[in-house]
Amino acid sequence: GENVEQHPSTLSVQEGDSAVIKCTYSDSASNYFPWYKQELGKRPQLIIDIRSNVGEKKDQRIAVTLNKTAKHFSLHITETQPEDSAVYFCAASLPFGGATNKLIFGTGTLLAVQP
Amino acid sequence: DVKVTQSSRYLVKRTGEKVFLECVQDMDHENMFWYRQDPGLGLRLIYFSYDVKMKEKGDIPEGYSVSREKKERFSLILESASTNQTSMYLCASSFGGTSYEQYFGPGTRLTVT
Repeated sequence: GENVEQHPSTLSVQEGDSAVIKCTYSDSASNYFPWYKQELGKRPQLIIDIRSNVGEKKDQRIAVTLNKTAKHFSLHITETQPEDSAVYFCAASLPFGGATNKLIFGTGTLLAVQP
Repeated sequence: DVKVTQSSRYLVKRTGEKVFLECVQDMDHENMFWYRQDPGLGLRLIYFSYDVKMKEKGDIPEGYSVSREKKERFSLILESASTNQTSMYLCASSFGGTSYEQYFGPGTRLTVT
């Protein structure tokens, strides 16, 4: 069935370093790839997303890259700060019916930024 | 600003009880979703609904049912709660069409004893 694999499950970096989280998806019909950040005790919130018609998108310190051929996409965080510490989830869309999409989520990456 | 609310942040129920979790969104979203979040397993889709009175099974529907009588409200029902349903339950909603972004509620942490 549809599957999204996410690695690593935990990531510890020093403040100021870069962090990279990688995901792979299985269904070639997927065309939307969001990344959600969930701080401790809070709801997941969208931080960046990319559609299959582009290969890269950047928003300040975060960027996402997509390789459709390999079915890979990655989240890049530069100049990490302690407030970046959270669980990050990737997801891939799957069409359902004519105009509905559901999301398949990865298992999450716990990012710890050490001051 | 999109607002998705859930009826309880914390809930403790006994095995065998019928449990209702309520979710309300105020943005006229077409789609609503119920997820279960467990450590190491990510967010797993239980059920979703793309219109009033319409429902579709997600990846782990066993032991759950849902109800959507009004567009803004989506209920998750545990017919007979079991200890393996102890978890964090997250509701989400989205516009539908080509807008895929999902907005999440704060979650309900359910403990079944």
